[in-house]
Amino acid sequence: DIQMTQSPSSLSASVGDRVTITCQASQDISNYLNWYQQKPGKAPKLLIYDASNLETGVPSRFSGSGSGTDFTFTISSLQPEDIATYYCQQYDNLEVTFGPGTKVDIK
Amino acid sequence: EVQLVESGGVVVQPGGSLRLSCAASGFTFDDYAMHWVRQAPGKGLEWVSLISWDGGSTYYADSVKGRFTISRDNSKNSLYLQMNSLRAEDTALYYCAKGAWFGEFNPLDYWGQGTLVTVSS
Repeated sequence: DIQMTQSPSSLSASVGDRVTITCQASQDISNYLNWYQQKPGKAPKLLIYDASNLETGVPSRFSGSGSGTDFTFTISSLQPEDIATYYCQQYDNLEVTFGPGTKVDIK
Repeated sequence: EVQLVESGGVVVQPGGSLRLSCAASGFTFDDYAMHWVRQAPGKGLEWVSLISWDGGSTYYADSVKGRFTISRDNSKNSLYLQMNSLRAEDTALYYCAKGAWFGEFNPLDYWGQGTLVTVSS
């Protein structure tokens, strides 16, 4: 089974700050890595697919990179509406696994 | 507009059974694989199951394999999850979600609002 880790588990940053979250897979997953945003009480929302592709309608301050086992998600300028938990998710090898999540809030 | 509306969540005793439903609209249902994903209270997301566009292929998380069965009725634009031998650790909000493209494993681009299953005596 493919295991996913994320760091940090939580972070607090100021409006306008650059925020970076990392996700690591336990084995090579190529670029089969997506990022989701979940606001409190809401369903998850797809932000980035296949490691670096921005989903239609998602603001350009969100970006992703990486391949193989190491991936990065970045918010270039944190906004108040970005308060949420962010999850990475892999879909390689006929299985789907979510990372444990990173909770982002405003300092 | 894509809509996914889950139903069927209730309080059920350990060892009991339950069937969840997801009504889909706003897209060609039988073009896409569909998933169930769950979230225990205060916890992260856990993928549960996937079914191919035609129901011919199904996949399950190890935690539910042998107890849960995913199915779909393309004539009714509906997805189902039959849950048997329920355990306390199955307590969660259950989401149905749509695959983004034709094919089995791909990103989940639309999600419902979830239906709550509570397993308790």
